[in-house]
Amino acid sequence: AQKVTQAQTEISVVEKEDVTLDCVYETRDTTYYLFWYKQPPSGELVFLIRRNSFDEQNEISGRYSWNFQKSTSSFNFTITASQVVDSAVYFCALRNNAGNMLTFGGGTRLMVKP
Amino acid sequence: EAGVAQSPRYKIIEKRQSVAFWCNPISGHATLYWYQQILGQGPKLLIQFQNNGVVDDSQLPKDRFSAERLKGVDSTLKIQPAKLEDSAVYLCASSLDGTSPQFFGPGTRLTVL
Repeated sequence: AQKVTQAQTEISVVEKEDVTLDCVYETRDTTYYLFWYKQPPSGELVFLIRRNSFDEQNEISGRYSWNFQKSTSSFNFTITASQVVDSAVYFCALRNNAGNMLTFGGGTRLMVKP
Repeated sequence: EAGVAQSPRYKIIEKRQSVAFWCNPISGHATLYWYQQILGQGPKLLIQFQNNGVVDDSQLPKDRFSAERLKGVDSTLKIQPAKLEDSAVYLCASSLDGTSPQFFGPGTRLTVL
């Protein structure tokens, strides 16, 4: 069975602070994919990144960066110099190689205050 | 490019009533998904279609929920009869194929009184 845990239910930071959202996953598969989605107040889930289990290179996209550590089964997401528009619920998700069913974590609500 | 469309955006019904939701995926996307997102939780997959065939409906409460994608494009999800615990946001997503990233619609917020 697959499981995704986002231990931080809510984080509050002041604008321009850096913030890291944690994600820990469990799976018995050797091939799998990890995702991050952003859910702003409008409700629509916005795809941010997909990473496969064989690619442990960290990735940076603007103010966003992702740290994949297979040894600790973690896929953490860092926002540098946070902005008010980053306020949203962020979900980490896991998919195995057999199908396209996403298993989501419980989400982390990020509040960025001006 | 237009995103995933869903309607209605909001629906309020009384328990034991029926309700239907509609989804139009991104053009050309063969795979369509319905998720249920209860307040404060992550989305949970209800059913996955590949074209007009069901790939996975293992988490669909089949005694009251049904879904179809007859022509392999639009899809409807129905609840009959609704229970209080069905109050949630119902999200539709689509992907190019069964392995590509999923793109989500704005969801339908259902309140069952």
